[in-house]
Amino acid sequence: DTEVTQTPKHLVMGMTNKKSLKCEQHMGHRAMYWYKQKAKKPPELMFVYSYEKLSINESVPSRFSPECPNSSLLNLHLHALQPEDSALYLCASSQGGYNEKLFFGSGTQLSVL
Amino acid sequence: LAKTTQPISMDSYEGQEVNITCSHNNIATNDYITWYQQFPSQGPRFIIQGYKTKVTNEVASLFIPADRKSSTLSLPRVSLSDTAVYYCLVGDILGSSGSARQLTFGSGTQLTVLP
Repeated sequence: DTEVTQTPKHLVMGMTNKKSLKCEQHMGHRAMYWYKQKAKKPPELMFVYSYEKLSINESVPSRFSPECPNSSLLNLHLHALQPEDSALYLCASSQGGYNEKLFFGSGTQLSVL
Repeated sequence: LAKTTQPISMDSYEGQEVNITCSHNNIATNDYITWYQQFPSQGPRFIIQGYKTKVTNEVASLFIPADRKSSTLSLPRVSLSDTAVYYCLVGDILGSSGSARQLTFGSGTQLTVLP
């Protein structure tokens, strides 16, 4: 299994809603990532988990809250988002070493109304 | 952070060889160069990775000169399905643990293959 699975594929939410994005991999990878991608722009790194510990937080607003319950799962909890947060949210994983390749999911297309 | 520079867009015709060059003047000694392909509304997909000289796999070749300040992704005999954005990345280790790896994407190159 070389897949990273993200759910849901599409999400529409209001600015007062609370929702969660989910990501799962069964490749035994020990590093997991959240990226945000706006239309026609490159992915921007948000968070990195290494061995289930938050390793990097790229100054992301607190309305985005990551969680790594175990080495196979990664969640992104969303609360009080703004319309400008609408984007494709990508999850990725890697073995956790150096210079290894990233495996990406297909993303969750999020629209904030 | 190692920064990469690529052409914004390129056009090609089916059956031609396409070469996309990436500049990475600040590459560190231990950094590898990795290329990803991305189709609309999908996550990037790994194409090829290399450290120096030439690497070839079933889909592409990667040429890296001795000074490693640039690299060239070569796609042989492209087809319409190769129309995508191609990203060049140079590895970096960041984070307090030192064990996680941050990848910063450059602007990417939009390749359009025409019939």
